[in-house]
Amino acid sequence: EVQLVQSEGGLVQPGGSLRLSCAASGFTFSSYWMNWVRQAPGKGLEWVASIKEDGSEKYYVDSVKGRFTISRDNAKNSLYLQLNSLRTEDTAYYYCTRVRGYYDYWGQGTLVTVSS
Amino acid sequence: EIVLTQSPGTLSLSPGERATLSCRASQSVRSSHLAWYQQKPGQAPRLLIYDASSRATGIADRFSGSGSGTDFTLTISRLEPEDFAVYYCHQYGSSLRTFGGGTKVEIK
Repeated sequence: EVQLVQSEGGLVQPGGSLRLSCAASGFTFSSYWMNWVRQAPGKGLEWVASIKEDGSEKYYVDSVKGRFTISRDNAKNSLYLQLNSLRTEDTAYYYCTRVRGYYDYWGQGTLVTVSS
Repeated sequence: EIVLTQSPGTLSLSPGERATLSCRASQSVRSSHLAWYQQKPGQAPRLLIYDASSRATGIADRFSGSGSGTDFTLTISRLEPEDFAVYYCHQYGSSLRTFGGGTKVEIK
């Protein structure tokens, strides 16, 4: 069974940092692109970042470029998102997803709240 | 960027009725690379349909997708109580993947 289990989120002050993680199981992690998608409370979905199977290519939505970093550790079957210089508008649920063009499996979501 | 516009914003129906949800793209979606997701309160989205008309694993056959180019439709043939949720379309035919704003299907 494919599972994506995410770490806990938290409350962070503006300008602060947080690292999200996503542990994958039930499939060959190193064979898939992986993603982060976010959703502000009560709002729609927004793609945030993607990473190639071997980590050699990474892509970001313009609003997070230079602040967020996606990475992966294929030996640990884990995906990460480092969030730096956080802004109040980054407050959202963050979901990791497996990518097959479409997003066929999703983690349970992690709430990141940016507030003073 | 391909903008996806979903309509209606809210659909009020009774169990057993047919639901028809629309997703219109601002430009043609390459290779009909369009997906539909269902999201219930407090849960992550779940993949229903990919490549415009292919049902994902384990999805009931009352869900069907159709369309190509710029116009796509998700149809739920007979609504079950568990189908009341928000539905999102998503295009992955261009390098910048985008989502529609969602359609809420609520109990009338």
